[in-house]
Amino acid sequence: EVQLAESGGGVVQPGGSLRLSCTASGFTFSTYPMNWVRQAPGKGLEWVSNIRDSTTDTFYADSVKGRFTTSRDNAKNSLYLQMDSLRVEDTAVYYCVRDSLWSFDNWGQGTLVTVSS
Amino acid sequence: QSALTQPRSVSGSPGQSVTISCTGTSSDVGRYNFVSWYQQHPGKAPKFIIYDVTKRPSGVPGRFSGSKSGNTASLTISGLQAEDEADYYCCSYAGSFTWVFGGGTKLTVL
Repeated sequence: EVQLAESGGGVVQPGGSLRLSCTASGFTFSTYPMNWVRQAPGKGLEWVSNIRDSTTDTFYADSVKGRFTTSRDNAKNSLYLQMDSLRVEDTAVYYCVRDSLWSFDNWGQGTLVTVSS
Repeated sequence: QSALTQPRSVSGSPGQSVTISCTGTSSDVGRYNFVSWYQQHPGKAPKFIIYDVTKRPSGVPGRFSGSKSGNTASLTISGLQAEDEADYYCCSYAGSFTWVFGGGTKLTVL
């Protein structure tokens, strides 16, 4: 069974940083691209970032480009999201999502990030 | 990276059919046959229900079907059941390893 477990969410002040982690199990992590998708409270889904299985190619939504960095450690079956220069509008549940040929077939339960002073 | 346009809400009675539209542009929905749909119940993570416009993942009932015409994709749910009440999101590949979601549609089963 595919499992994705996010961690690292919490409360941070505007301008601060936070690092999210996602631990994967139940599949060969190194062969799948992975994504981060977020959902602000009461709002819709927003794609945030994609990292190819190669570990070096990353892609970002315009809203986070230059502030967020996605990485992965295939030896640890782990995905990371380094979030810097956080803004109030980054407040959301962040989901770790497996990429299956241009769609998102497995989602974690999400971790809440709150940016507030 | 503008969001795809979905109706904010739709409703139907048990046993009826409903269709949710998802309108994008010639740069996303119109260009790629990589439209997917997700169902989200309150407080839960989204669930993958349609991919590549028309395909259903294993375990998704045949009552769920997808289609596309031009820049608009659609999700049809036939034989509505109470458990279908949820939020539904479309998503399209937009090129260069980027994706765009719709704003979401709340389905109410009357």
